[in-house]
Amino acid sequence: GQQVMQIPQYQHVQEGEDFTTYCNSSTTLSNIQWYKQRPGGHPVFLIQLVKSGEVKKQKRLTFQFGEAKKNSSLHITATQTTDVGTYFCAPGAQKLVFGQGTRLTINP
Amino acid sequence: GAVVSQHPSRVICKSGTSVKIECRSLDFQATTMFWYRQFPKQSLMLMATSNEGSKATYEQGVEKDKFLINHASLTLSTLTVTSAHPEDSSFYICSANPGQGYEQYFGPGTRLTVT
Repeated sequence: GQQVMQIPQYQHVQEGEDFTTYCNSSTTLSNIQWYKQRPGGHPVFLIQLVKSGEVKKQKRLTFQFGEAKKNSSLHITATQTTDVGTYFCAPGAQKLVFGQGTRLTINP
Repeated sequence: GAVVSQHPSRVICKSGTSVKIECRSLDFQATTMFWYRQFPKQSLMLMATSNEGSKATYEQGVEKDKFLINHASLTLSTLTVTSAHPEDSSFYICSANPGQGYEQYFGPGTRLTVT
C-alpha cells in the first residue's frame, strides 16, 4: 500500500504563529486527504487533493499537492487555540493509510 | 454531514473475555466500513475492511480469528475482540463513506481496556 512520512511529529507554537506540516511519499499518489483529530476525539475530514500542483484554501488553512504528486503540505496562518490537535495526511480513496500525524500544541 | 456512531464508547473487560463493538451509520447505508485501532499518541492503523454480506478483508498482520468482523446489514458492522489480552487495550474507531463524496466519516471511537 501507499506509505507516507509526515514531519514534524510534534510542533509547539505560540498562538498567532504559523504552522506547517509536510507529507512525503516515495511513490506518486493518486490523491491525498487531510484529517484533523482533536485530543480525545476522532478524525474529521478536512480536504482532498487530486491534481498536480493543486492549492486549496479553507480560511487560515492552505493545502498543497506537489507537482510530482509525491508530497503535500498543510499550512495554518496565525494559529488559534482551536487549531490544537493532530493533523494526518492519508493517501487513498475509501481505504486510507494514515501518516504518523503531526501533533500541534499552542501556547495561548 | 453523515453520522457514524459507535457503541460502547468505553469498555473494561477481563483478560480472556470477548468484547463486541458496534459501528452504525445513522443516516446512510454503507456497503463498506473500515476498522482502525489507535494506540496513545500514535496514528490510526487500518485493521480491516468490513464488507456487507461478505467476509471482511484484513490487513497484513491482523489476526482474523482474533478480531471478528460481521457486517450483517447496510448500517451495522461489529468488531469482536476475542479472548482479549491487555495488549489489545486500545482505541478502536470505525469509518464509513456515504457514497456521495470521498471523505470518510469516523465514529467517535471505543476505548477498550483489558485488565
